[in-house]
Amino acid sequence: AQSVTQLGSHVSVSEGALVLLRCNYSSSVPPYLFWYVQYPNQGLQLLLKYTTGATLVKGINGFEAEFKKSETSFHLTKPSAHMSDAAEYFCAVRGGGNTPLVFGKGTRLSVIA
Amino acid sequence: NAGVTQTPKFQVLKTGQSMTLQCAQDMNHEYMSWYRQDPGMGLRLIHYSVGAGITDQGEVPNGYNVSRSTTEDFPLRLLSAAPSQTSVYFCASSYVRGPQETQYFGPGTRLLVL
Repeated sequence: AQSVTQLGSHVSVSEGALVLLRCNYSSSVPPYLFWYVQYPNQGLQLLLKYTTGATLVKGINGFEAEFKKSETSFHLTKPSAHMSDAAEYFCAVRGGGNTPLVFGKGTRLSVIA
Repeated sequence: NAGVTQTPKFQVLKTGQSMTLQCAQDMNHEYMSWYRQDPGMGLRLIHYSVGAGITDQGEVPNGYNVSRSTTEDFPLRLLSAAPSQTSVYFCASSYVRGPQETQYFGPGTRLLVL
C-alpha cells in the first residue's frame, strides 16, 4: 500500500523567498510521485511528476522536485516565490499496476508581499 | 477536447434525498475515479473504474454507488444524502498504460447536505 505525508498544513513565505513544501511517501513498490496545485475554487492541475530516470524533476511555473529514495522524500521547491503561487499543493503517490492515486492532506502556501 | 466535465457545479440537498453527480471525459481514457475533498483531509478516493463495466471501491465508498456503462461517463450516485457527505467532489481520468500516467481532474461539484 502507498501513503503520503505532507509536513505542514500551512506554509507562509515572503515574495521572492524560497518555497519548500515537504512530502514523504511510503510505498512497497517503486513509486510514481506527483505534485498537484489547486487554486481557490478550482480543480487540480499537475505541477510535475516523477516516474523513472532523472531524480530532479522540473515542472511548470518554475517549480521542481527531487526524488530521494534513501529519504523517501519528494519535496517541492521554487527559488523565488511569487504572489500568484498562493494556492494549495498536494503530493500524491501511485504504485504498480492500476493502483489508485493516493493524496497527502495538502499544504496551503501563502505568499506575503 | 473538453477534458473532464462535471455537473452540476453546485448542489444543495436535504438529508435523505438522492442525486447523481455526472462526470464525462472525451479523451478516451480507460481509468476514471471519484474523490471527495474535505478541509484538512486532502482528497480521498471514493470509487474508481479501469474500464467500462469494471468498478472498485476506494477508501470511503459507503453511501455512494457508481457504474461505468461507457468509456466516457462515470456517474456517482448518492443513495440517501447525509450531512457528512457535504464536500467537494472531483472526478478524474487517465489512460491505463501504467501508474505513471497523469490523472486529469474536473472542476469539481460542491455539495451541501442540510
